[in-house]
Amino acid sequence: QQQVKQSPQSLIVQKGGISIINCAYENTAFDYFPWYQQFPGKGPALLIAIRPDVSEKKEGRFTISFNKSAKQFSLHIMDSQPGDSATYFCAASIVVSNTGKLIFGQGTTLQVKP
Amino acid sequence: GAGVSQSPRYKVAKRGQDVALRCDPISGHVSLFWYQQALGQGPEFLTYFQNEAQLDKSGLPSDRFFAERPEGSVSTLKIQRTQQEDSAVYLCASSLLETQYFGPGTRLLVL
Repeated sequence: QQQVKQSPQSLIVQKGGISIINCAYENTAFDYFPWYQQFPGKGPALLIAIRPDVSEKKEGRFTISFNKSAKQFSLHIMDSQPGDSATYFCAASIVVSNTGKLIFGQGTTLQVKP
Repeated sequence: GAGVSQSPRYKVAKRGQDVALRCDPISGHVSLFWYQQALGQGPEFLTYFQNEAQLDKSGLPSDRFFAERPEGSVSTLKIQRTQQEDSAVYLCASSLLETQYFGPGTRLLVL
């Protein structure tokens, strides 16, 4: 019940295209859903995060769509660029009355072709 | 300002050796987390500190793993009698509210 399932495992997109990564969770107590970007040899860096009281959040080219009833959320990268090539992780945590430890998905390796 | 720093960045240990991994969190961050990231996998939670108190160590894989944060700032993750399965990247993160900021990690290779 603590798992977060992420798909696809890898994704190849042409420059200018839309990259879409999906995640699903089981634990309805999760109340914070961040997306992290990780480059080789670096630590994960926060991209964007959402709380379950909103269905969508947009920051620049990055959008999170959240479906509370389906227990799913997704990351959309608009106008994908070669510099976006990295591994992306979704995560979930229980912030209220808990440690806030992050439960990560398995990751998606994105390659954006020029 | 400075982010989370970790040292060493790389560590090679012979099986059975003890290792100590250091984390310097962002100044003022109350919460500190350790995660383990195996090759090609997402990070997995090891332990959590609020100031100097270790409030959750449910992710530590065995009693060979020990973490401390004696003054509520710098933290050390110690692994005793290292095994090959301990080879991974060890990530430290700190936070003030819900956003966790990660360090670059320490890559541990146990031979």
